[in-house]
Amino acid sequence: QKEVEQNSGPLSVPEGAIASLNCTYSDRGSQSFFWYRQYSGKSPELIMSIYSNGDKEDGRFTAQLNKASQYVSLLIRDSQPSDSATYLCAVNWGRGYGNKLVFGAGTILRVKS
Amino acid sequence: DGGITQSPKYLFRKEGQNVTLSCEQNLNHDAMYWYRQDPGQGLRLIYYSQIVNDFQKGDIAEGYSVSREKKESFPLTVTSAQKNPTAFYLCASAGQGQETQYFGPGTRLLVL
Repeated sequence: QKEVEQNSGPLSVPEGAIASLNCTYSDRGSQSFFWYRQYSGKSPELIMSIYSNGDKEDGRFTAQLNKASQYVSLLIRDSQPSDSATYLCAVNWGRGYGNKLVFGAGTILRVKS
Repeated sequence: DGGITQSPKYLFRKEGQNVTLSCEQNLNHDAMYWYRQDPGQGLRLIYYSQIVNDFQKGDIAEGYSVSREKKESFPLTVTSAQKNPTAFYLCASAGQGQETQYFGPGTRLLVL
């Protein structure tokens, strides 16, 4: 059973704070990991992808991957009210599965001004 | 502009009726996907296609059908066998050998 788990939230942070979103996955064979942001009523948009253990930074966003512990996280620095959305973690189950992604249910983030 | 389009934005289905959701992309992507999203839940894979004239069932294919006659088009039919079709339907695509998927704007299906 391929599972991706996220805390549903809502996670509330004040404007300017760091928001930390976490995701765990069940299959050690997973190779690729993605974070998508989804505003209410809209489709998901890609924020970051990460493939190797460690940190990957892009502007205010940092993705962290630890394959041994089977978790991936997303940090949002200097959080803004416009960051308020649902954040979806997605995991690719590796070759032979046709590049299928399995999504977590998402974490609702609320940034209060 | 390159992108993925889905139509209609809203679709109403009467009981016993088949309805077809359109998905078109001009990104020259080989792979296309259909997902269903229910409130408070993640995306669940319905069908996917890696190449023209070939497609595979996802995790919740029952009550749905697809075709892939052209590279840029991947329509989804919600049949009368799908007893709980109310959901947000998302189409995505990915380049050859690429894992990153990009999404269209979605179609919201409601049952009358």
